[in-house]
Amino acid sequence: QTVVTQEPSFSVSPGGTVTLTCGLSSGSVSTSHYPSWYQQTPGQAPRTLIYSTNTRSSGVPDRFSGSILGNKAALTITGAQADDESDFYCALYMGSGIWVFGGGTRLTVL
Amino acid sequence: EVQLVQSGAEVKKAGESLKISCKGSGYSFTYWIGWVRQMPGKGLEWMGIILPGDSDTRYSPSFQGQVTISVDKSISTAYLQWSSLKASDTAMYYCVRQDGSGTFYFDYWGQGTLVTVSS
Repeated sequence: QTVVTQEPSFSVSPGGTVTLTCGLSSGSVSTSHYPSWYQQTPGQAPRTLIYSTNTRSSGVPDRFSGSILGNKAALTITGAQADDESDFYCALYMGSGIWVFGGGTRLTVL
Repeated sequence: EVQLVQSGAEVKKAGESLKISCKGSGYSFTYWIGWVRQMPGKGLEWMGIILPGDSDTRYSPSFQGQVTISVDKSISTAYLQWSSLKASDTAMYYCVRQDGSGTFYFDYWGQGTLVTVSS
């Protein structure tokens, strides 16, 4: 079964830059997986940040950006703010209507 | 305004059946609607998805045979149901709309339905 891998946790200083990644247990992530990224704060439903690798969802600040880095999808936060502290999930489209989420990365801003 | 409004929290006993709902509004109910599980303190898990027009349904292998996804397009509502709940089904369940413009992602999320199953 396909496993989508993410760093369990990451820490960044306020104003700093951090890159979270989203990989596959077997193979490389490509644009054909339509990588998307979702942010979740405690007690809230997730919100969509990035789709189709690098397109920001409406209202998402431009300090969030997406890309493919090597064989993984990546979410970069430039100029991290305190309210960016949350859980981040990637999702990959595997074809035939099937999706897989990554395990999520808990981002701490301190 | 596009909205996905889910049914309220449920408290059930193991072995009971359950059907939770997700009603779409503010758009044509023709987009794929999926379900996502989040167990307490854990990450998101994609369960499956349905196309309201023809009820074409796809399941994650992890959930195939464990749940049933259905839809009543006449009332713009999708459902997630269990025939016999287990304590391990205790989780928050979100419905999601998959964007229909050919870019694959979940553009709208429901507010979540908390299901608590006691053994």
